[in-house]
Amino acid sequence: DIVMTQSPDSLAVSLGERATINCKSSQSVLYSSNNKNYLAWYQQKPGQPPKLLIYWASTRESGVPDRFSGSGSGTDFTLTISSLQAEDVAVYYCQQYYSTPGVTFGQGTRLEIK
Amino acid sequence: EVHLVESGGGLIQPGGSLRLSCAASGFTVSSNSLSWVRQAPGKGLEWISLLYGDDTTYYADSVKGRFTISRDTSKNTLYLQMNSLRAEDTAVYYCARDYPGSSLSWYFDLWGRGTLVTVSS
Repeated sequence: DIVMTQSPDSLAVSLGERATINCKSSQSVLYSSNNKNYLAWYQQKPGQPPKLLIYWASTRESGVPDRFSGSGSGTDFTLTISSLQAEDVAVYYCQQYYSTPGVTFGQGTRLEIK
Repeated sequence: EVHLVESGGGLIQPGGSLRLSCAASGFTVSSNSLSWVRQAPGKGLEWISLLYGDDTTYYADSVKGRFTISRDTSKNTLYLQMNSLRAEDTAVYYCARDYPGSSLSWYFDLWGRGTLVTVSS
């Protein structure tokens, strides 16, 4: 199985500041035949189910604010929130879907307001 | 509007069985692939099973041979039959829709609110 490791485990950022969450996979999730990274990001607010934010490492899901962006390739990925809003307090998960059947998630990064 | 609503969770003794349901609205389970994903209390997400549109099923090793995923198209509902339950199966169980497309996406655009299964004596 591909192991997904996120860093940091928790993060406190001031309102309006940039938040950066990292995700590293134990092997590349870049499929050479289509040059796509099989990597998604989710946001989970307290008491709620996960919400898809980004897929293919950098494609924003419909309705997701453009302050959320994804980047990276191969084994190293980043979710960036350009200007933190109060409603962005949540746990964020990365997920690989390169090695299927089955997918694996990172352990999660808790984002709080400083 | 599209929704998924899980039900059937509860307290069950180790070794017992439980069937979870996931009722879909706004789309049909027959033409979409659906997964079960669980989350142990205070822990991360674990994918456990997927039912593809053509009835192909997939399972995580942790539940293979104990859990069975199925659907009833007349009720537009997905199920998870869970047998030989263990304490480590304690979790919130979510059903989630595979991102719609011409083939399996393996990422999930629609989630229910989950149902809690507690395995304890």
